[in-house]
Amino acid sequence: GEDVEQSLFLSVREGDSSVINCTYTDSSSTYLYWYKQEPGAGLQLLTYIFSNMDMKQDQRLTVLLNKKDKHLSLRIADTQTGDSAIYFCAETAKLQFGAGTQVVVTP
Amino acid sequence: NAGVTQTPKFQVLKTGQSMTLQCAQDMNHNSMYWYRQDPGMGLRLIYYSASEGTTDKGEVPNGYNVSRLNKREFSLRLESAAPSQTSVYFCASSGTAENSPLHFGNGTRLTVT
Repeated sequence: GEDVEQSLFLSVREGDSSVINCTYTDSSSTYLYWYKQEPGAGLQLLTYIFSNMDMKQDQRLTVLLNKKDKHLSLRIADTQTGDSAIYFCAETAKLQFGAGTQVVVTP
Repeated sequence: NAGVTQTPKFQVLKTGQSMTLQCAQDMNHNSMYWYRQDPGMGLRLIYYSASEGTTDKGEVPNGYNVSRLNKREFSLRLESAAPSQTSVYFCASSGTAENSPLHFGNGTRLTVT
């Protein structure tokens, strides 16, 4: 949905960090989510952040939330070939997803 | 540990034909959803059901009907398929808690010719 926007493509070298950005419009969302979709499969939850938090870290994943700017980012440290997938951000207020960012990891 | 199961995985229809996409979840979730995924447009919500016996329209409900048959099952029906309904359809479910994420099935790839 157009209320949640993401860039469509990101290319990253193996071992580097990936940063995927997302902007949303509905400030009433209590939670914001990141999902991962591998080819031919449904979406799987990667991580989420509560709207009153600025940052959440979960192993190689770091989520940053700037509530004032309605900006969410997902950083993947030490990106591996298995991280190649489409990543979606989603908000809870209107159950809306971004268009997805295709991440391609090159050796 | 099945989670959310969708059938069929693939379907080809001619314009005007009808079909029902089936979805079942075994996680005792109250809420169930149908989304369609199109290139460059992400997932768009077609219908959802917050609990057994209730259904509500999402962003793109035209051309579709749904039935929440019981707590486990939520079906999506196309009465008269159109080429614009060519898409990948995902069913999802979630629990009652506010931070409950959506659990997705593996999708049904539908082509309407």
